[in-house]
Amino acid sequence: EAQVTQNPRYLITVTGKKLTVTCSQNMNHEYMSWYRQDPGLGLRQIYYSMNVEVTDKGDVPEGYKVSRKEKRNFPLILESPSPNQTSLYFCASLGQWDYEQFFGPGTRLTVL
Amino acid sequence: AQTVTQSQPEMSVQEAETVTLSCTYDTSESDYYLFWYKQPPSRQMILVIRQEAYKQQNATENRFSVNFQKAAKSFSLKISDSQLGDAAMYFCAYRSNFGNEKLTFGTGTRLTIIP
Repeated sequence: EAQVTQNPRYLITVTGKKLTVTCSQNMNHEYMSWYRQDPGLGLRQIYYSMNVEVTDKGDVPEGYKVSRKEKRNFPLILESPSPNQTSLYFCASLGQWDYEQFFGPGTRLTVL
Repeated sequence: AQTVTQSQPEMSVQEAETVTLSCTYDTSESDYYLFWYKQPPSRQMILVIRQEAYKQQNATENRFSVNFQKAAKSFSLKISDSQLGDAAMYFCAYRSNFGNEKLTFGTGTRLTIIP
Protein backbone atom coordinates (compact mmCIF):
# COMPACT_ATOMS: atom_id res chain seq x y z
CA GLU A 1 0.00 0.00 0.00
CA ALA A 2 1.34 3.40 -1.02
CA GLN A 3 1.70 5.52 2.07
CA VAL A 4 3.54 8.14 4.06
CA THR A 5 4.19 7.22 7.67
CA GLN A 6 5.07 9.49 10.56
CA ASN A 7 6.26 8.69 14.06
CA PRO A 8 5.35 9.42 16.70
CA ARG A 9 1.71 10.34 16.18
CA TYR A 10 1.53 12.15 19.50
CA LEU A 11 4.32 13.66 21.54
CA ILE A 12 4.40 15.76 24.70
CA THR A 13 7.78 17.14 25.62
CA VAL A 14 9.42 19.94 27.55
CA THR A 15 11.17 23.06 26.39
CA GLY A 16 14.72 22.43 25.20
CA LYS A 17 14.60 18.66 24.91
CA LYS A 18 15.74 17.69 21.42
CA LEU A 19 13.32 15.57 19.42
CA THR A 20 12.98 14.02 15.98
CA VAL A 21 9.80 13.28 14.08
CA THR A 22 10.37 10.64 11.44
CA CYS A 23 8.76 10.54 8.01
CA SER A 24 9.01 7.72 5.52
CA GLN A 25 7.39 7.10 2.13
CA ASN A 26 7.30 3.91 0.08
CA MET A 27 6.50 5.42 -3.32
CA ASN A 28 10.03 6.33 -4.44
CA HIS A 29 9.02 9.99 -4.53
CA GLU A 30 11.67 12.61 -5.17
CA TYR A 31 9.94 15.47 -3.39
CA MET A 32 9.18 15.55 0.33
CA SER A 33 8.03 18.36 2.54
CA TRP A 34 7.06 19.26 6.11
CA TYR A 35 4.10 21.45 7.05
CA ARG A 36 2.75 22.67 10.33
CA GLN A 37 -0.94 23.34 10.92
CA ASP A 38 -2.12 25.93 13.40
CA PRO A 39 -5.69 27.13 14.04
CA GLY A 40 -6.62 30.07 11.86
CA LEU A 41 -3.42 29.78 9.83
CA GLY A 42 -3.93 26.70 7.71
CA LEU A 43 -0.87 24.65 6.79
CA ARG A 44 2.48 26.31 6.26
CA GLN A 45 5.59 24.79 4.77
CA ILE A 46 8.59 24.37 7.06
CA TYR A 47 11.20 22.68 4.84
CA TYR A 48 11.23 20.74 1.63
CA SER A 49 13.54 18.42 -0.28
CA MET A 50 13.67 17.99 -4.03
CA ASN A 51 15.81 14.86 -3.77
CA VAL A 52 18.50 13.14 -1.71
CA GLU A 53 20.87 15.64 -0.10
CA VAL A 54 18.86 18.57 -1.52
CA THR A 55 16.88 20.50 1.09
CA ASP A 56 15.69 24.08 1.39
CA LYS A 57 13.70 26.33 3.68
CA GLY A 58 10.00 26.85 3.35
CA ASP A 59 8.00 29.67 4.86
CA VAL A 60 8.52 28.97 8.57
CA PRO A 61 11.90 27.21 9.01
CA GLU A 62 13.07 28.86 12.25
CA GLY A 63 13.75 26.34 15.00
CA TYR A 64 13.70 23.31 12.70
CA LYS A 65 16.25 21.17 10.87
CA VAL A 66 15.85 18.43 8.30
CA SER A 67 18.01 15.92 6.50
CA ARG A 68 17.56 13.75 3.42
CA LYS A 69 20.17 11.03 3.43
CA GLU A 70 17.91 8.44 1.85
CA LYS A 71 15.18 8.96 -0.68
CA ARG A 72 12.45 7.42 1.46
CA ASN A 73 13.16 9.26 4.73
CA PHE A 74 12.86 12.92 5.67
CA PRO A 75 13.10 13.48 9.44
CA LEU A 76 12.18 16.76 11.11
CA ILE A 77 14.48 17.75 13.95
CA LEU A 78 13.72 20.21 16.71
CA GLU A 79 17.05 20.88 18.43
CA SER A 80 15.59 22.98 21.25
CA PRO A 81 11.80 22.93 21.14
CA SER A 82 9.84 25.87 22.46
CA PRO A 83 6.11 26.22 23.31
CA ASN A 84 5.46 28.13 20.07
CA GLN A 85 6.32 24.94 18.20
CA THR A 86 3.27 23.24 19.68
CA SER A 87 1.39 22.30 16.53
CA LEU A 88 0.15 19.57 14.23
CA TYR A 89 2.85 18.48 11.81
CA PHE A 90 2.42 16.83 8.43
CA CYS A 91 4.92 15.22 6.15
CA ALA A 92 4.06 14.99 2.45
CA SER A 93 5.61 13.49 -0.66
CA LEU A 94 5.15 13.94 -4.38
CA GLY A 95 6.36 12.00 -7.40
CA GLN A 96 8.08 13.81 -10.23
CA TRP A 97 5.14 13.48 -12.62
CA ASP A 98 2.33 13.47 -10.09
CA TYR A 99 -0.31 16.03 -9.21
CA GLU A 100 -1.24 14.79 -5.79
CA GLN A 101 0.87 15.25 -2.70
CA PHE A 102 0.46 12.32 -0.33
CA PHE A 103 0.21 13.33 3.31
CA GLY A 104 1.20 11.40 6.37
CA PRO A 105 -1.30 10.98 9.24
CA GLY A 106 0.08 13.94 11.21
CA THR A 107 2.02 14.29 14.46
CA ARG A 108 0.48 16.24 17.31
CA LEU A 109 3.34 17.89 19.23
CA THR A 110 2.93 19.67 22.54
CA VAL A 111 5.89 21.53 24.04
CA LEU A 112 5.45 22.46 27.69
CA ALA B 1 4.29 35.47 -3.07
CA GLN B 2 1.06 33.65 -3.61
CA THR B 3 -1.78 33.90 -1.12
CA VAL B 4 -4.97 31.93 -0.70
CA THR B 5 -8.00 33.34 1.09
CA GLN B 6 -10.99 31.47 2.46
CA SER B 7 -13.39 34.01 3.87
CA GLN B 8 -15.87 31.57 5.43
CA PRO B 9 -14.46 30.11 8.65
CA GLU B 10 -17.61 28.03 9.16
CA MET B 11 -20.48 26.85 7.01
CA SER B 12 -23.41 24.56 7.62
CA VAL B 13 -25.81 22.78 5.29
CA GLN B 14 -28.77 20.48 5.60
CA GLU B 15 -28.17 16.89 4.64
CA ALA B 16 -28.95 16.29 0.93
CA GLU B 17 -28.68 20.00 0.12
CA THR B 18 -25.98 21.79 -1.85
CA VAL B 19 -23.31 24.02 -0.39
CA THR B 20 -20.59 26.16 -1.95
CA LEU B 21 -17.28 26.97 -0.27
CA SER B 22 -15.42 30.04 -1.47
CA CYS B 23 -11.74 30.50 -2.20
CA THR B 24 -9.80 33.32 -3.82
CA TYR B 25 -6.11 33.45 -4.54
CA ASP B 26 -3.51 35.89 -5.66
CA THR B 27 -0.68 35.10 -8.05
CA SER B 28 1.21 36.64 -10.92
CA GLU B 29 1.85 33.25 -12.50
CA SER B 30 -0.13 31.78 -15.37
CA ASP B 31 0.64 28.09 -14.87
CA TYR B 32 -0.44 26.53 -11.60
CA TYR B 33 -2.72 24.04 -9.91
CA LEU B 34 -5.52 24.52 -7.45
CA PHE B 35 -6.76 21.93 -5.00
CA TRP B 36 -9.42 21.33 -2.41
CA TYR B 37 -8.42 19.15 0.53
CA LYS B 38 -10.73 17.65 3.12
CA GLN B 39 -9.61 17.12 6.70
CA PRO B 40 -12.06 15.04 8.74
CA PRO B 41 -11.75 14.63 12.53
CA SER B 42 -9.13 11.93 11.92
CA ARG B 43 -6.87 14.83 10.75
CA GLN B 44 -5.92 12.98 7.57
CA MET B 45 -5.50 15.30 4.56
CA ILE B 46 -7.59 13.95 1.69
CA LEU B 47 -7.49 15.37 -1.81
CA VAL B 48 -11.02 16.12 -2.99
CA ILE B 49 -10.48 17.70 -6.38
CA ARG B 50 -7.84 19.48 -8.45
CA GLN B 51 -7.88 22.01 -11.27
CA GLU B 52 -5.12 22.82 -13.73
CA ALA B 53 -5.02 26.53 -14.54
CA TYR B 54 -4.62 25.95 -18.28
CA LYS B 55 -7.88 24.01 -18.43
CA GLN B 56 -11.02 26.07 -18.97
CA GLN B 57 -13.33 23.22 -18.08
CA ASN B 58 -14.28 23.01 -14.44
CA ALA B 59 -13.21 19.83 -12.66
CA THR B 60 -15.81 17.41 -11.34
CA GLU B 61 -15.50 14.40 -9.05
CA ASN B 62 -18.82 12.75 -8.35
CA ARG B 63 -20.73 15.10 -5.99
CA PHE B 64 -17.88 17.61 -5.90
CA SER B 65 -17.35 20.25 -8.54
CA VAL B 66 -15.50 23.52 -8.80
CA ASN B 67 -16.21 26.90 -10.32
CA PHE B 68 -12.84 28.10 -11.58
CA GLN B 69 -12.75 31.74 -12.65
CA LYS B 70 -9.14 32.40 -13.67
CA ALA B 71 -9.50 36.10 -14.41
CA ALA B 72 -11.22 36.70 -11.08
CA LYS B 73 -8.79 34.32 -9.31
CA SER B 74 -11.66 32.50 -7.73
CA PHE B 75 -11.94 28.75 -7.07
CA SER B 76 -15.10 27.68 -5.25
CA LEU B 77 -16.10 24.14 -4.30
CA LYS B 78 -19.67 22.94 -4.68
CA ILE B 79 -20.81 19.89 -2.78
CA SER B 80 -24.09 18.44 -4.00
CA ASP B 81 -26.36 16.09 -2.08
CA SER B 82 -24.43 16.73 1.13
CA GLN B 83 -23.85 13.70 3.33
CA LEU B 84 -22.95 13.35 6.99
CA GLY B 85 -19.53 12.08 5.98
CA ASP B 86 -18.81 15.39 4.27
CA ALA B 87 -18.47 17.09 7.64
CA ALA B 88 -14.87 18.24 7.85
CA MET B 89 -12.47 21.13 7.52
CA TYR B 90 -11.92 22.03 3.88
CA PHE B 91 -8.75 23.69 2.67
CA CYS B 92 -8.17 25.41 -0.63
CA ALA B 93 -4.56 25.18 -1.85
CA TYR B 94 -2.40 26.60 -4.63
CA ARG B 95 0.69 25.10 -6.21
CA SER B 96 2.92 26.72 -8.76
CA ASN B 97 4.10 24.69 -11.72
CA PHE B 98 7.60 26.10 -11.26
CA GLY B 99 10.26 25.45 -8.67
CA ASN B 100 9.25 24.38 -5.16
CA GLU B 101 6.23 22.11 -5.19
CA LYS B 102 4.94 23.92 -2.14
CA LEU B 103 1.24 23.96 -1.43
CA THR B 104 0.00 27.34 -0.22
CA PHE B 105 -3.10 26.80 1.87
CA GLY B 106 -6.01 28.95 2.87
CA THR B 107 -7.11 29.07 6.49
CA GLY B 108 -9.88 26.54 6.01
CA THR B 109 -13.67 26.33 6.20
CA ARG B 110 -15.29 24.07 8.76
CA LEU B 111 -18.34 22.43 7.22
CA THR B 112 -21.12 21.09 9.42
CA ILE B 113 -23.84 18.83 8.03
CA ILE B 114 -27.23 19.16 9.74
CA PRO B 115 -29.20 15.88 9.73
